Amino acid sequence: DAKTTQPPSMDCAEGRAANLPCNHSTISGNEYVYWYRQIHSQGPQYIIHGLKNNETNEMASLIITEDRKSSTLILPHATLRDTAVYYCIVREGQGGKLIFGQGTELSVKP
Amino acid sequence: DADVTQTPRNRITKTGKRIMLECSQTKGHDRMYWYRQDPGLGLRLIYYSFDVKDINKGEISDGYSVSRQAQAKFSLSLESAIPNQTALYFCATSDPLAGLSYNEQFFGPGTRLTVL
Repeated sequence: DAKTTQPPSMDCAEGRAANLPCNHSTISGNEYVYWYRQIHSQGPQYIIHGLKNNETNEMASLIITEDRKSSTLILPHATLRDTAVYYCIVREGQGGKLIFGQGTELSVKP
Repeated sequence: DADVTQTPRNRITKTGKRIMLECSQTKGHDRMYWYRQDPGLGLRLIYYSFDVKDINKGEISDGYSVSRQAQAKFSLSLESAIPNQTALYFCATSDPLAGLSYNEQFFGPGTRLTVL
């Protein structure tokens, strides 16, 4: 079973920040938080990952709470092309398998 | 050219038929994976291979078999297809040498399989 809980859907206005929450209350010390997204039946695409520090790359920012029981993926300026299903995944850092939940369907609206 | 390719992209077959889905990659990755996705659901792992001599069952391996012919090729077979194997199938690769924590998986475009 997936070890994460995400809202099934969210809306965001184009140009605004999209904040996608994820709960992972049973995360263990050696497990990382990964985010992937899937645009309409295409193969999933890696976005970002982190262990305990906040992370930022060209696509997004990842904010992990101090107790590591939840995190938020931030798309700073959402575009229509960011409409997708976003998966939050907890996995071991070394060779752990990806266990996908149902994700959050993000709709970016004009 | 795409780094991870899957053939065929679409396939319609009948119950009881044997079918093979193929995955090829040019990324030079040792690790390869097969997932299936049902409508409205996330991906579920069928089989994975950490190198040519290593094959492991995933969450839902019953009714499936795999073959790792070479580092670059990983095939998924349905020996006797049944309708509830109708799904979208994805192949993925990863590189363990990318670091302890960084094990991004790269996905192919998917194969849409329909079993009548």
